[in-house]
Amino acid sequence: TQLLEQSPQFLSIQEGENLTVYCNSSSVFSSLQWYRQEPGEGPVLLVTVVTGGEVKKLKRLTFQFGDARKDSSLHITAAQPGDTGLYLCAGTPNAGGTSYGKLTFGQGTILTVHP
Amino acid sequence: SQTIHQWPATLVQPVGSPLSLECTVEGTSNPNLYWYRQAAGRGLQLLFYSVGIGQISSEVPQNLSASRPQDRQFILSSKKLLLSDSGFYLCAWSIGPDGEKLFFGSGTQLSVL
Repeated sequence: TQLLEQSPQFLSIQEGENLTVYCNSSSVFSSLQWYRQEPGEGPVLLVTVVTGGEVKKLKRLTFQFGDARKDSSLHITAAQPGDTGLYLCAGTPNAGGTSYGKLTFGQGTILTVHP
Repeated sequence: SQTIHQWPATLVQPVGSPLSLECTVEGTSNPNLYWYRQAAGRGLQLLFYSVGIGQISSEVPQNLSASRPQDRQFILSSKKLLLSDSGFYLCAWSIGPDGEKLFFGSGTQLSVL
């Protein structure tokens, strides 16, 4: 079983601060996704990274996939209260053959941005 | 565009009672369908997935079962609920054998008392 370790588990910051969330594994993933979830709702896909070393930007969010495709990070610049939520990383195992979209999820990072 | 519907949003059931959660997808054909459980707003655990009608794969041994009677319908069931079945249940869909992108329903908060 391929595991994803996500850190930190909790993050409480003031509006305007920067933050980084990490997602690490000892296993290689063919792709990695980041989701954001609000209470009582399902997770919503933010980004998918598939190439080692890939960097994607989504407004104030920057996502990076490690060169060895074993880790990823999410960096938020100038956080806003609207960024508050649960952030989840999820990876597609690199086991060969088809994965049918079965993802391995990290345990999540609960981000609270105070006004 | 594709949409996914999941109901009910909340459910309170006594121990030993049956369960039926339903999920339907619109706007796509032959999707892969999934049931996940999430404990206390943390990571998601895959319970079942299905790549076609009548095809169900179970990822973890448990008190629950799943069925796919139609292409875009996925049902999660139990004959007798346990306290440990409480949690937030999420249905999701994806497309293709390597469909990494999951699209989730809004979830069902199940409380077994």
